[in-house]
Amino acid sequence: DAGVIQSPRHEVTEMGQEVTLRCKPISGHDYLFWYRQTMMRGLELLIYFNNNVPIDDSGMPEDRFSAKMPNASFSTLKIQPSEPRDSAVYFCASSFLGDSSYEQYFGPGTRLTVT
Amino acid sequence: QKEVEQNSGPLSVPEGAIASLNCTYSDRGSQSFFWYRQYSGKSPELIMFIYSNGDKEDGRFTAQLNKASQYVSLLIRDSQPSDSATYLCAVTPFGGYQKVTFGTGTKLQVIP
Repeated sequence: DAGVIQSPRHEVTEMGQEVTLRCKPISGHDYLFWYRQTMMRGLELLIYFNNNVPIDDSGMPEDRFSAKMPNASFSTLKIQPSEPRDSAVYFCASSFLGDSSYEQYFGPGTRLTVT
Repeated sequence: QKEVEQNSGPLSVPEGAIASLNCTYSDRGSQSFFWYRQYSGKSPELIMFIYSNGDKEDGRFTAQLNKASQYVSLLIRDSQPSDSATYLCAVTPFGGYQKVTFGTGTKLQVIP
């Protein structure tokens, strides 16, 4: 299996621009998570989906952030407009309910820099 | 008070020694506990999980859980330079196996 796939791996954009991050979970997984990691705040859960339905978006920092999962193999995290404080590494992860360890498999991450 | 607290380190241990990593959590109803390892520039990967009080061993790794003290630890025996990484403690609430709260991690350095 190719694992969780994220694109792009690096994104540099100017303040005010729209940013779209993409994720393809592991086939057969029914949970998908979006995290943000910074030195100051660590790894924070932004939102997670179960069977393509958003379950908890309480971690989404503000209305500038939105996430969608139109089908079982694709999700996007959009930031509009972007701000310098959004600079971070964004991870997508997936898991499946039948795994007794509840392990989350992380993608390689997207390093976002907003100037 | 942070939900999951870890000492940021770095924790330095000589090769072959036991590394002890600690974590406390604030929600007494927390249900599941995990240790993820993250190498610099890489993504986290699960190395241990524990749900019940006591010890759980897997190779050189032992996870210890004390729910009364709200305390989780990870012991790494015979530490190797390849164990040098940041170790993230993670916790889920009662009834929520998927909603994970991570600590900020402890950086471990194993000195050859």
